[in-house]
Amino acid sequence: DIQMTQSPSSLSASVGDRVTITCRASQSITSYLNWYQQKPGKAPKVVIYGASNLQSGVPSRFSGSGSGTDFTLTISNLQPEDFATYYCQQSYSIPRSFGQGTKLEI
Amino acid sequence: QVLLQESGPGLVKPSQTLSLTCSVSGGSMGSDYDYWSWIRQPAGKGLEWIGRLSASGSSDYNPSLRGRVTMSLDTSKNLFSLKLISVTVADTAVYYCAKMRVARPNYFYMDVWGTGTTVIVSS
Repeated sequence: DIQMTQSPSSLSASVGDRVTITCRASQSITSYLNWYQQKPGKAPKVVIYGASNLQSGVPSRFSGSGSGTDFTLTISNLQPEDFATYYCQQSYSIPRSFGQGTKLEI
Repeated sequence: QVLLQESGPGLVKPSQTLSLTCSVSGGSMGSDYDYWSWIRQPAGKGLEWIGRLSASGSSDYNPSLRGRVTMSLDTSKNLFSLKLISVTVADTAVYYCAKMRVARPNYFYMDVWGTGTTVIVSS
C-alpha cells in the first residue's frame, strides 16, 4: 500500500495569509493526487484533482503542485470559510489511501 | 445535480453484518465514466477508503478489510449498497458514499459525497 504523509498536522493562520500544506507519498504516484477540504460535521469536498487541477466552483486562491512523491496545496489570501481540515489522497493504486489530515485553524 | 444519501441502521452488534444503502438522485448510475465508492471516518480521525464499484461491475476493495466487504449496484433503483460482515467495534465510524469521476487523462476523484451516516458497533 502507498502511505501518504501530510505536514504539518495542524497549522494556525490568519485571514489574508498564504499557507502551504505538504503531502508526501511513500512511492511515486506521478500526478495522481487529490486534495479534499472537510469542515466539522460535513462530508469532504474535492478542491484539487490530478495534483494541480482546480475543481469547478473552487476559488482560484486554491492551487496545487507537485509530482512524483512530493505535493503541495497552497491557499492564498485565506478567507474565513477556508478554515477546515485538508486531506490528500492518492489515486495511483488500490487502496486509494488518504493522508492523516492537516487542520487549518485561526 | 447528483445528490447522494446514505441510510441504514445506526447500531450493529459485534460479529453481525453492517448493511448500508446509498440513494442516488438527479442522475444516472449507468455511466462507464463513473465509479461509486464508500469511505469511512471514525470519530475524530481521518478518512479510510473502503472500495469502489463501477456500473460495469468492476470492483476494488481495501485489502485491510480482509474480504469482509461487498458492494453492489442496482441501477434500476439508483441504489448503491455496502455490506460489511463480522463487524467489530473498530468498524464504528461515519460512513460516506461518494461518486468517483474520471477526468482525462485518467484522474479518479470523488466529486459528489453523501452527508454520511453514523454506524456504532456495540452490544
